[in-house]
Amino acid sequence: AQRVTQPEKLLSVFKGAPVELKCNYSYSGSPELFWYVQYSRQRLQLLLRHISRESIKGFTADLNKGETSFHLKKPFAQEEDSAMYYCALSRVDTDKLIFGTGTRLQVFP
Amino acid sequence: NAGVTQTPKFQVLKTGQSMTLQCAQDMNHEYMSWYRQDPGMGLRLIHYSVGAGITDQGEVPNGYNVSRSTTEDFPLRLLSAAPSQTSVYFCASSLTRGTYEQYFGPGTRLTVT
Repeated sequence: AQRVTQPEKLLSVFKGAPVELKCNYSYSGSPELFWYVQYSRQRLQLLLRHISRESIKGFTADLNKGETSFHLKKPFAQEEDSAMYYCALSRVDTDKLIFGTGTRLQVFP
Repeated sequence: NAGVTQTPKFQVLKTGQSMTLQCAQDMNHEYMSWYRQDPGMGLRLIHYSVGAGITDQGEVPNGYNVSRSTTEDFPLRLLSAAPSQTSVYFCASSLTRGTYEQYFGPGTRLTVT
């Protein structure tokens, strides 16, 4: 069965510092990977997906099949980036989207 | 468009009671799903549906029933509430099955005493 691991429950950085939220997955096939974000008092929403290879709000994520990772990165954190971040995996042969346990990012001024 | 709506926002139940959490979407999405969110456990898939009349189990289906009689609605029924079902419940929908973006509702916070 597929699994998504986010090893850090909490990541605290100062404004302007680089950020890397880790995500590892276990799945032998070709996964589709996503990052979802939940800002305070807002709905969970899609941040980015690996197939789009896009940068959203300065965040990027690269799929590394060798290391089975999909880490989320931003070179300079902003206070408004403070939120809960979830990595999620979907298999092309099922209809299930499986989430990791989430990492809370706190960006201090 | 209202997007994905959920009712109620908050609910307190006694052990053994039953209730239905409502979810509706007005985007003509085929795919709908229910998740529960618990501290330290992230979001876990309860049930999902790939279209009207079709439902299937997710990771944690025990104690919950669903049905999908229309494209718009996907209610989640708790048959006999237990304290272990205290959680925040999210409904989500996406255009179709697969890797499309999922749109989430605002959540229902359920407490079972």
